[in-house]
Amino acid sequence: EDKVVQSPLSLVVHEGDTVTLNCSYEVTNFRSLLWYKQEKKAPTFLFMLTSSGIEKKSGRLSSILDKKELSSILNITATQTGDSAIYLCAVVRNAGNMLTFGGGTRLMVKP
Amino acid sequence: DTEVTQTPKHLVMGMTNKKSLKCEQHMGHRAMYWYKQKAKKPPELMFVYSYEKLSINESVPSRFSPECPNSSLLNLHLHALQPEDSALYLCASKPGERGDTDTQYFGPGTRLTVL
Repeated sequence: EDKVVQSPLSLVVHEGDTVTLNCSYEVTNFRSLLWYKQEKKAPTFLFMLTSSGIEKKSGRLSSILDKKELSSILNITATQTGDSAIYLCAVVRNAGNMLTFGGGTRLMVKP
Repeated sequence: DTEVTQTPKHLVMGMTNKKSLKCEQHMGHRAMYWYKQKAKKPPELMFVYSYEKLSINESVPSRFSPECPNSSLLNLHLHALQPEDSALYLCASKPGERGDTDTQYFGPGTRLTVL
């Protein structure tokens, strides 16, 4: 059975701090790993990673995949209160059509 | 049009009611999904439709009945639900089963309360 574990479960930081969220996985025939941000309702897509060692970046957010370590990190620099959300990691296997989600990391950024 | 829409936003129903949730996308996506999400938990997959055919049913009770009338629409028919079925129901879509992306795009969800 595929397994995705995120850490920490929750995190409280102050504006301006840098945070690193972790996602580790055990999945047969891994194809891709995705990061989503969920505030009150729909998860919104952040990144899709398929190749090891290649950083994806969008503004203050960046993510990288390490296939050897079966893990990924999501970095957020200069955090803002608007970054407060649950961050979800999900994996997809080859010939698969499904996302297997981790439990999420709840981030709270205080002013 | 780059979004997935869901109606209604909120629904309160009794255990004997019959209701339907609706999801729509006009991005030409050919894979559509229903998820159930309880508070403080990640989304759990319920059903997958690929090219309007049900391809995955994750052992969901028969009181939930999905329907895909065409490539843009996905319904979830609800009947004789239990209070524990109260949750956020999310719809998602992606280009196709073997598209160049695994990214699923989520709708805003329907917050369902069963009394």
